[in-house]
Amino acid sequence: EAQVTQNPRYLITVTGKKLTVTCSQNMNHEYMSWYRQDPGLGLRQIYYSMNVEVTDKGDVPEGYKVSRKEKRNFPLILESPSPNQTSLYFCASSLQGSLDYGYTFGSGTRLTVV
Amino acid sequence: AQSVTQLGSHVSVSEGALVLLRCNYSSSVPPYLFWYVQYPNQGLQLLLKYTTGATLVKGINGFEAEFKKSETSFHLTKPSAHMSDAAEYFCAVSEGFNKFYFGSGTKLNVKP
Repeated sequence: EAQVTQNPRYLITVTGKKLTVTCSQNMNHEYMSWYRQDPGLGLRQIYYSMNVEVTDKGDVPEGYKVSRKEKRNFPLILESPSPNQTSLYFCASSLQGSLDYGYTFGSGTRLTVV
Repeated sequence: AQSVTQLGSHVSVSEGALVLLRCNYSSSVPPYLFWYVQYPNQGLQLLLKYTTGATLVKGINGFEAEFKKSETSFHLTKPSAHMSDAAEYFCAVSEGFNKFYFGSGTKLNVKP
């Protein structure tokens, strides 16, 4: 089944403790992206990657890192999480960016930073 | 930058009634337009999209949307709501590669 898999689905952590949210897609998509969803704000892009070793900042990149060493994987790293990073996170992939194809989304990771 | 406005963060309809979710965008160029649906505890699923051609687009689950360039709108409709339609709906606009903007979402409640 074609899908984007995120792990974990739920995570509670403490301020400053490094964490990684994994994302993997099995559709051979070049383009991958991370979004955070907050009430009333819709989805905001954190980082995106157009292909292996090619990443760039989205609209809200502060406090996050990403890497794209393999085509299928695009982990999101929070080096020193803070409470304002409490949010619902989505990984998404697309064959050729968002133009014309739209995204396939993962099921989300609900992160709470205390 | 593009802005996408969804009028009404919450919409409530009775089962069997018309569903109308509004989306307006700001763009000086013809955009690509999308509607996504998010069911509780799930990711977003593509409902329908407009790229080129016919301005009335049909999607899954009986939904359709019409692109009106003169009104810069892409409203989502369904003639008869089902309980299973209760979800949050997001309008999205793309102007090009990686220029993809989401609205703030509309939660649809369907009353029995």
